[in-house]
Amino acid sequence: QVQLQESGPGLVKPSQTLSLTCTVSGGSISSGSYYWSWIRQPAGKGLEWIGRIYTSGSTNYNPSLKSRVTISVDTSKNQFSLKLSSVTAADTAVYYCARQRYYYDSSGYYYGEGFDYWGQGTLVTVSS
Amino acid sequence: SSELTQDPAVSVALGQTVRITCQGDSLRSYYASWYQQKPGQAPVLVIYGKNNRPSGIPDRFSGSSSGNTASLTITGAQAEDEADYYCNSRDSSGNHLGVFGGGTKLTVL
Repeated sequence: QVQLQESGPGLVKPSQTLSLTCTVSGGSISSGSYYWSWIRQPAGKGLEWIGRIYTSGSTNYNPSLKSRVTISVDTSKNQFSLKLSSVTAADTAVYYCARQRYYYDSSGYYYGEGFDYWGQGTLVTVSS
Repeated sequence: SSELTQDPAVSVALGQTVRITCQGDSLRSYYASWYQQKPGQAPVLVIYGKNNRPSGIPDRFSGSSSGNTASLTITGAQAEDEADYYCNSRDSSGNHLGVFGGGTKLTVL
């Protein structure tokens, strides 16, 4: 059973950089057709996709956050990480890491994708 | 603003059928996936692709799509289905950028 666990500071000062790590257990981060993603949710609001990384290092970022976001992967530690720079109070949220799976049948035909495993989430508050 | 639009709230009587919709241009080209989120918990994938349920998801959950609208249907809603539901797909550029709908709060009466 794959498990994801976020870790990092729960409090970050404005203008500083938010740094979180997601540790994957129960499977190798390098195996399969998976992208490793970050998603956040401000209190009482909806989900926002931040970005993702493949184990090759290829990344995709939300255009609204792209200038401030860096996602990296450390396959030796089975971890991937998020850095969000120049944070403000608007970045206060529960941050989730998740595995995005692409589904293929035995013929290699793609038939969908989804975030099939999630971490429990970690609250990051931006405040002085 | 979200490129996927959901009704903020929907209600259903216990045991009845409810449809939750998600609209967006990208849905003409890409599948939606659906997530159930209960208070204080991480989201759970309930539907992906055309109409596929991960292991452990009850068969009362089903998905469908037509044009620019994807739907999640719960047939015979149970009290435990009361939750927030989010759709997710790629953005309209098709560049593998993710986007979530604003979410629908489902109340089971």
